[in-house]
Amino acid sequence: DVKVTQSSRYLVKRTGEKVFLECVQDMDHENMFWYRQDPGLGLRLIYFSYDVKMKEKGDIPEGYSVSREKKERFSLILESASTNQTSMYLCASSPRGGYEKLFFGSGTQLSVL
Amino acid sequence: DQQVKQNSPSLSVQEGRISILNCDYTNSMFDYFLWYKKYPAEGPTFLISISSIKDKNEDGRFTVFLNKSAKHLSLHIVPSQPGDSAVYFCAASHTGNQFYFGTGTSLTVIP
Repeated sequence: DVKVTQSSRYLVKRTGEKVFLECVQDMDHENMFWYRQDPGLGLRLIYFSYDVKMKEKGDIPEGYSVSREKKERFSLILESASTNQTSMYLCASSPRGGYEKLFFGSGTQLSVL
Repeated sequence: DQQVKQNSPSLSVQEGRISILNCDYTNSMFDYFLWYKKYPAEGPTFLISISSIKDKNEDGRFTVFLNKSAKHLSLHIVPSQPGDSAVYFCAASHTGNQFYFGTGTSLTVIP
């Protein structure tokens, strides 16, 4: 089974801190994604990557950056955390070629105080 | 602008009856659709998918119907079970790689 592992289930940070959310997948998937889930807004795409060292902006990239130095790892970075970035963050991966389902991690609930 | 919409935030159904969850989309280029189920504090798990060349796909108790002319899809769960209580998200794609998700419908199956 595909496993997508997010490093933390719960995280509490202070406003202005730099925050790293890590995601690792073990199925050699080319595509990786970061979403955030908020009540009433569903899942919104922050950034995605189709290959090592490449990245594409999703629908809500402001305030975030990403890093993909290795195929299996996709990191989401909050350069200066703000309270409106309190959310559930979900990492997902899928094989290249498309028209395949996304496999999600368990999520990281981030609270910014 | 939300390209995938789930207009019912919640739905309650008696155990054993049919649950029907609806999803509308605006982008006529979408050609691949999926349903995900999500329990609290867990990541979404894949349920069922359908491509635009079909109008129905069935997997056990779960059936997805696609009406392209109406830009509408629905998920039918028959019979509904208490373990089906979760939030259901529909998702759509026109590239097969980037997916747009709806806002979710919280299903409660009453024993």
